Amino acid sequence: SQTIHQWPATLVQPVGSPLSLECTVEGTSNPNLYWYRQAAGRGLQLLFYSVGIGQISSEVPQNLSASRPQDRQFILSSKKLLLSDSGFYLCAWTPTPGHTNYGYTFGSGTRLTVV
Amino acid sequence: LAKTTQPISMDSYEGQEVNITCSHNNIATNDYITWYQQFPSQGPRFIIQGYKTKVTNEVASLFIPADRKSSTLSLPRVSLSDTAVYYCLVGDVGNAGNMLTFGGGTRLMVKP
Repeated sequence: SQTIHQWPATLVQPVGSPLSLECTVEGTSNPNLYWYRQAAGRGLQLLFYSVGIGQISSEVPQNLSASRPQDRQFILSSKKLLLSDSGFYLCAWTPTPGHTNYGYTFGSGTRLTVV
Repeated sequence: LAKTTQPISMDSYEGQEVNITCSHNNIATNDYITWYQQFPSQGPRFIIQGYKTKVTNEVASLFIPADRKSSTLSLPRVSLSDTAVYYCLVGDVGNAGNMLTFGGGTRLMVKP
């Protein structure tokens, strides 16, 4: 069965420090991968998505970047965190066309607090 | 991408049936309707998906009229543990790179 791993669960970082959040998917190949951010009490904002290794599309210009070095690995990074980067970050995957699917499967999320 | 509109919040009591309606007037032919449930500090999880008419699983039913411009998630006999945010998404999940936009969702509060 497919599983998605996201870590760390919580993170407190000072302003100006770098960030690296990692997400990996098991049990599937060539998934579509996504990074979402959720501010407190708000809906989900799509940040990045990827349809393959090295292929990254950004939805919102910001202080963050994403990379997909391997088929089932998706990384969210920042060189210098801002206070506004605080939030709940969620990784998700969907199957590629031709597979039976039910939409997104989300990871457990990372609660990032920038202080 | 089809935009969705849902009520911001709803209140209910234990044992009642709850119906949450989502409007999606510009739904496309290939679009499916998917509902997710999210508890605090967790990622959303899939509840049910449908294309037309009625779909039922062990946790919910989804009613979709013939014009598909809206859908209703029905939760039978809710309990306190059903307190969560419910999101309606519309899109063609089968297309590579298709991005489904999450709206604000409906915050359901189940009271004793």
